[in-house]
Amino acid sequence: NAGVTQTPKFQVLKTGQSMTLQCAQDMNHNSMYWYRQDPGMGLRLIYYSASEGTTDKGEVPNGYNVSRLNKREFSLRLESAAPSQTSVYFCASSMWTANTGELFFGEGSRLTVL
Amino acid sequence: RKEVEQDPGPFNVPEGATVAFNCTYSNSASQSFFWYRQDCRKEPKLLMSVYSSGNEDGRFTAQLNRASQYISLLIRDSKLSDSATYLCVVNPNYGGSQGNLIFGKGTKLSVKP
Repeated sequence: NAGVTQTPKFQVLKTGQSMTLQCAQDMNHNSMYWYRQDPGMGLRLIYYSASEGTTDKGEVPNGYNVSRLNKREFSLRLESAAPSQTSVYFCASSMWTANTGELFFGEGSRLTVL
Repeated sequence: RKEVEQDPGPFNVPEGATVAFNCTYSNSASQSFFWYRQDCRKEPKLLMSVYSSGNEDGRFTAQLNRASQYISLLIRDSKLSDSATYLCVVNPNYGGSQGNLIFGKGTKLSVKP
């Protein structure tokens, strides 16, 4: 069972370059999320998509864009990477009812911006 | 006051010990609560939900105290494999928002032989 698959797992960028992180889930989940995790900061929500065709900003959306391509796929784009975007990025999905709280995470994408 | 606060640790305990973690949350309207586990350089995974009456899963017991706005996780008979970071997670249920779980920064546990 693949679950949530993220690509790439590692990436090094130069300041100003752009890139897209890809995420796909095979659990027929309605909701998908992008988080970043930094040392001492915990997980912070960048964007989420409660259902196909909708996206909403999370806590730290600046510098990012997202696309919910279909029910399975949710991509995160950095248009002009900055060193402050060096982080580990996690994609997650859930069926979501208000109280279930179970998110299924991908293995993470480690991004370094020089 | 930060939304979800945890003692970062590390908690260094011997095998077989009992260890407890606490977590406080600031939004009294929060509806649901969870503990996640994250191994080093891995993704977080749900350990257990926290119910109002308290709940137990094997060696793990979770408690919720709404009056004091804290959640606890008790691990009995610690195993080496319990070494991980434990994340306290709260659904603040802002206006019915479905997306915004709030994660604590985590408490690191290291179980030694």
